[in-house]
Amino acid sequence: DAKTTQPPSMDCAEGRAANLPCNHSTISGNEYVYWYRQIHSQGPQYIIHGLKNNETNEMASLIITEDRKSSTLILPHATLRDTAVYYCIALLTGANNLFFGTGTRLTVIP
Amino acid sequence: NAGVTQTPKFRVLKTGQSMTLLCAQDMNHEYMYWYRQDPGMGLRLIHYSVGEGTTAKGEVPDGYNVSRLKKQNFLLGLESAAPSQTSVYFCASGGVYNEQFFGPGTRLTVL
Repeated sequence: DAKTTQPPSMDCAEGRAANLPCNHSTISGNEYVYWYRQIHSQGPQYIIHGLKNNETNEMASLIITEDRKSSTLILPHATLRDTAVYYCIALLTGANNLFFGTGTRLTVIP
Repeated sequence: NAGVTQTPKFRVLKTGQSMTLLCAQDMNHEYMYWYRQDPGMGLRLIHYSVGEGTTAKGEVPDGYNVSRLKKQNFLLGLESAAPSQTSVYFCASGGVYNEQFFGPGTRLTVL
């Protein structure tokens, strides 16, 4: 599985868009990019995943660069409840071990 | 639709005692997983199952056993608990594209 690199922490004002970057320069052609988050002391929560096209769901948007070496998770209107650690994971579909790494601690500020 | 549930939520054991953690999912997922998370650390995969009647070892399987007798249930057993197994245990079930849905966790302390 490709290694991913994320900034350790970010702040975002409530109501503004939160843009969380992830570098995955060694990603292979058939590895997907997954995003999860973990709110303090809760189980991780799946957010979104994609291969090479941009994806959007009710929680977030995922923008993957054309060369697939990096991606950005966008929370369009951050709320205080979005404060969490966000994890970017590159993984083959069908692989079983999610390696969460250290992630980005996002703090949404009132 | 309860998603993924875990029983119990909290447990304290003495060294050498045994226990079983139960995970149940109602999403008809084939894949199920057990992870542990130590304070300030990421999740580590203990065991997983790709379908009813199958199990496989993950990253840190020693000291644990699992069973998947029914598709909706995945049991994690500790035969002889040790203080090193003090952790938070998360169960997950996996969808078609390997998106994993996690339970609320079981907080286990081994004295």
